[in-house]
Amino acid sequence: DGGITQSPKYLFRKEGQNVTLSCEQNLNHDAMYWYRQDPGQGLRLIYYSQIVNDFQKGDIAEGYSVSREKKESFPLTVTSAQKNPTAFYLCASSRDNKNIQYFGAGTRLSVL
Amino acid sequence: KNQVEQSPQSLIILEGKNCTLQCNYTVSPFSNLRWYKQDTGRGPVSLTIMTFSENTKSNGRYTATLDADTKQSSLHITASQLSDSASYICVVSGGNNNDMRFGAGTRLTVKP
Repeated sequence: DGGITQSPKYLFRKEGQNVTLSCEQNLNHDAMYWYRQDPGQGLRLIYYSQIVNDFQKGDIAEGYSVSREKKESFPLTVTSAQKNPTAFYLCASSRDNKNIQYFGAGTRLSVL
Repeated sequence: KNQVEQSPQSLIILEGKNCTLQCNYTVSPFSNLRWYKQDTGRGPVSLTIMTFSENTKSNGRYTATLDADTKQSSLHITASQLSDSASYICVVSGGNNNDMRFGAGTRLTVKP
């Protein structure tokens, strides 16, 4: 996982609650990504950011929001609009949008 | 239908044996194909990355092959070890990381 840290490792969300997943990297990477992993499916891209103060929707952005105020941080908020939030969430970073990605250890989100 | 199909879904082998995992894709345009290893509850770690012109690439006991004409790749693991137990994910990219398509993975279990 070296250099990219996700927290918390486990998170529980109550009905109607927003929760925020943290992702921090000290690799000096410009690009950062959020993925969702569900059993039996490939990773799906939620949001990505190629540079500070800029981010783009991925394939499944509905019900999620992000910010990129600092180069090293890319938090993901799972809003109450996301009706099926239970999944394993992975954050990744890369030097730019074409170079190899390095992944964090993930956050497992469950609904109470 | 997923654009990256992996087989088998799961595989059990004895320690010391070899195995081969398959990846078929329909992603177009094609820029590169990556194999990742993902331990349970962790983020994926890159094993190999292959471009259009590369037919084979090795990383220790892991050897990946690519046939860009038939859009097939394989990952061969030699002399398996217990620590090889993990999911192996095939990822195909059209050039940018936000275009990547992930397979659902093959779950490999190596038994003593």
